Formats: sequence, C-alpha cells, structure tokens
Amino acid sequence: AQSVTQPDIHITVSEGASLELRCNYSYGATPYLFWYVQSPGQGLQLLLKYFSGDTLVQGIKGFEAEFKRSQSSFNLRKPSVHWSDAAEYFCAVGAIGNTPLVFGKGTRLSVIA
Amino acid sequence: EAQVTQNPRYLITVTGKKLTVTCSQNMNHEYMSWYRQDPGLGLRQIYYSMNVEVTDKGDVPEGYKVSRKEKRNFPLILESPSPNQTSLYFCASRRGGGSSEQYFGPGTRLTVT
Repeated sequence: AQSVTQPDIHITVSEGASLELRCNYSYGATPYLFWYVQSPGQGLQLLLKYFSGDTLVQGIKGFEAEFKRSQSSFNLRKPSVHWSDAAEYFCAVGAIGNTPLVFGKGTRLSVIA
Repeated sequence: EAQVTQNPRYLITVTGKKLTVTCSQNMNHEYMSWYRQDPGLGLRQIYYSMNVEVTDKGDVPEGYKVSRKEKRNFPLILESPSPNQTSLYFCASRRGGGSSEQYFGPGTRLTVT
C-alpha cells in the first residue's frame, strides 16, 4: 500500500519569499501524485497533479512541483509567496486501480509581512 | 457546475441522537469517500464506495455507517454519536482509477456534546 509523509507540520515564510513544501511517498510503482490546498474554512482544492511524463508540473496560483523518483519526493514550490497563500497543504498519492487516495497529514503555511 | 454538496454545513447535537450527513455529486463519479479532519491528524478516511451498493471501510470506520443506493448520493450516518466524533467531515468523489482528481465538498462541522 502507498503512504505519504509531509515532514513539516507548520512553516512560516515572509511575503515575497520563495516556498518549498516537502512531500515523500512510498509506493512500489509509478505513483499518481497530487497537491491540494485548504484555505481557512474551505474544502480542499486541487493545485496540481503528476501522472507521467515531464517531472516538473505546473499548477494553479503559480505553484509547481517536481517529481523525483530517486528521492521518492514530490515537493511543492512557489517563487514568491502572497499573503493569500496562507493555508493548509496536503500531498496525496494514488495507485493503479480503484484504491483510495492516501493523504499526508498536511503542512500549515503562515505568511508574515 | 461540477460540485460535491454536503448538508448540513454545521451541526451541534447531543450524545446518542442519530444523525445523517448527506453528500451528493453531479459528475457521475463512481468513487465516493468520507473523511474526517482533526488537528494534527490530517485527513482520515472513514468509508469509501467504488460504485452503487459497493462500500468498504477506510481507516476509522468505527461508529459510522454509509450507504450507496444511488450513484450520486453517499450519506454518512452516525447511529449513536459520541463526543469523540466531534470533527470536520468531508465528502469527496472522483472517477474510477487512481489517476483521477478527487473533488471535495465544503465540509460539515459536527459538534457532539
């Protein structure tokens, strides 16, 4: 079965600074990888996803993520953070077939002026 | 508009009083899930359904029931709620297959006193 680890529970960055949120997965084959964002009081919204092909994927709101098979990682990045990016971010991994998505425990991002 | 709807959004109830949280999706998705979200624990899957009349337990099914009589609806039933079921609940749906995006409802904030 697949699993996901988000090592950072809480990260604080200054507005305008770059951001990298870490995600490590465990799965025996090529995984399907997702990043979701949950703004305060909201449901989860898909930021981006990776299935195959180019290992650098672009998402909404200026986010990107890079799949690194050798490191079993799928880190989320943004070059310049805006105050509105303050939210909780979840990494998820899917497997072949009708198996449930497995979510990490999330990383809470705070943005300071 | 493609969406997952949940009702009610907020509910305060007392221990032992049966309740149902409804979930409906308009995307003809085969796969539906219920999650609960608690601080520090991330998203934990309660039950999921791969199609009509097909349901299975997730990670934390105790104290919950589900049914899938129609493709679009997947209600969550708490027969005898207890205070440890106070949580934020999300319904989600997606097409079959591990690569498909999962859509989330807006969440139901449940408090059991």
